[in-house]
Amino acid sequence: GDSVTQMEGPVTLSEEAFLTINCTYTATGYPSLFWYVQYPGEGLQLLLKATKADDKGSNKGFEATYRKETTSFHLEKGSVQVSDSAVYFCALTNAGGTSYGKLTFGQGTILTVHP
Amino acid sequence: GEEVAQTPKHLVRGEGQKAKLYCAPIKGHSYVFWYQQVLKNEFKFLISFQNENVFDETGMPKERFSAKCLPNSPCSLEIQATKLEDSAVYFCASSPVRGEKLFFGSGTQLSVL
Repeated sequence: GDSVTQMEGPVTLSEEAFLTINCTYTATGYPSLFWYVQYPGEGLQLLLKATKADDKGSNKGFEATYRKETTSFHLEKGSVQVSDSAVYFCALTNAGGTSYGKLTFGQGTILTVHP
Repeated sequence: GEEVAQTPKHLVRGEGQKAKLYCAPIKGHSYVFWYQQVLKNEFKFLISFQNENVFDETGMPKERFSAKCLPNSPCSLEIQATKLEDSAVYFCASSPVRGEKLFFGSGTQLSVL
């Protein structure tokens, strides 16, 4: 079945440091890929997405590129802020048929940014 | 409303008791999804609805778990005879049409003692 593997956390950075969180996947067909963020005590928020190979999703300074050849969707940000501290989830869905909304998540990566 | 509303925020049950969780999707959203988040942040898809019809229930445990979305009522997820391993945060999400992003609620923390 489909699966998503994220780098182990937690990740601790100083403000303005460069961030990379690795994500690789295994899926049949042509999945759509997502990064979600979860702030303490809250639900998931969609951060960015990409629906086909070589697409780049971007939002709030975060970027990720859908790499079909390496089955990867790594999250990057050039300069993190304290407010970026949260748990980040990589996810995929095969959107055909009844799979809509049925997301397969990675295990999450805790990011802590210090001033 | 403009957000997915889940109640209660916290629910404590003794083993063997029934637990019922509620979700009010954003007004006008046709799709509702339930997810279970257990230890180590692991998310598991449970079930989805298109209006009041089950869309995909492949993640629902065969026993003890049931869910409904009835017209003019919050959706519900019910667990009969809870077990310790049911302790988790249960998230509901909704979306307006197929293909659009999911909007998640803030979850119900279920603790089974």
